Amino acid sequence: DQQVKQNSPSLSVQEGRISILNCDYTNSMFDYFLWYKKYPAEGPTFLISISSIKDKNEDGRFTVFLNKSAKHLSLHIVPSQPGDSAVYFCAAYNFGNEKLTFGTGTRLTIIP
Amino acid sequence: KAGVTQTPRYLIKTRGQQVTLSCSPISGHRSVSWYQQTPGQGLQFLFEYFSETQRNKGNFPGRFSGRQFSNSRSEMNVSTLELGDSALYLCASSFSTSGRRDTQYFGPGTRLTVL
Repeated sequence: DQQVKQNSPSLSVQEGRISILNCDYTNSMFDYFLWYKKYPAEGPTFLISISSIKDKNEDGRFTVFLNKSAKHLSLHIVPSQPGDSAVYFCAAYNFGNEKLTFGTGTRLTIIP
Repeated sequence: KAGVTQTPRYLIKTRGQQVTLSCSPISGHRSVSWYQQTPGQGLQFLFEYFSETQRNKGNFPGRFSGRQFSNSRSEMNVSTLELGDSALYLCASSFSTSGRRDTQYFGPGTRLTVL
């Protein structure tokens, strides 16, 4: 039972344009959401997070939006740069069992 | 500050064998979590250790076990290896006192191949 889903395994975006990565979740016990970025041969690195009491969090070129009613979050990267090419994982924290659940990842490729 | 280190980086084993993976967290971090990453499954949570005690556990069979030492270093053991255990095993450390949502810092992973 995949409680956190990233339905797009891959995404290609032109350099300079906006990249939008999506994530859906099913468990209403999730109250904190994170995005991680992973380069090949490296572990994931934390990118940005959002609490369920907010609907938007911004950090430089990265913005995360949370729609609780739709159980949907998205990561916007603008403008996209070649160094953004990586696999992006969304993750959700369940305050009930204190576990972090990851999605399956989306491979983002930025085309120069 | 040195990052999370994992050894070995690559490992090849055969079915039925057992394996032990090691993780050294960032200095001062007391929580170590282990994840299994396979294509199409994302990162699956194995277990978390804090102050030498298993604090949380995922849905993996008992063949997967771990422990944490007094210096916060952690080991993960998989017994009676199966082909399906081939994966990237990641460990992550965090400071994690009362705030359980602390950012986790990941190591580079150990790539285990079971033949």
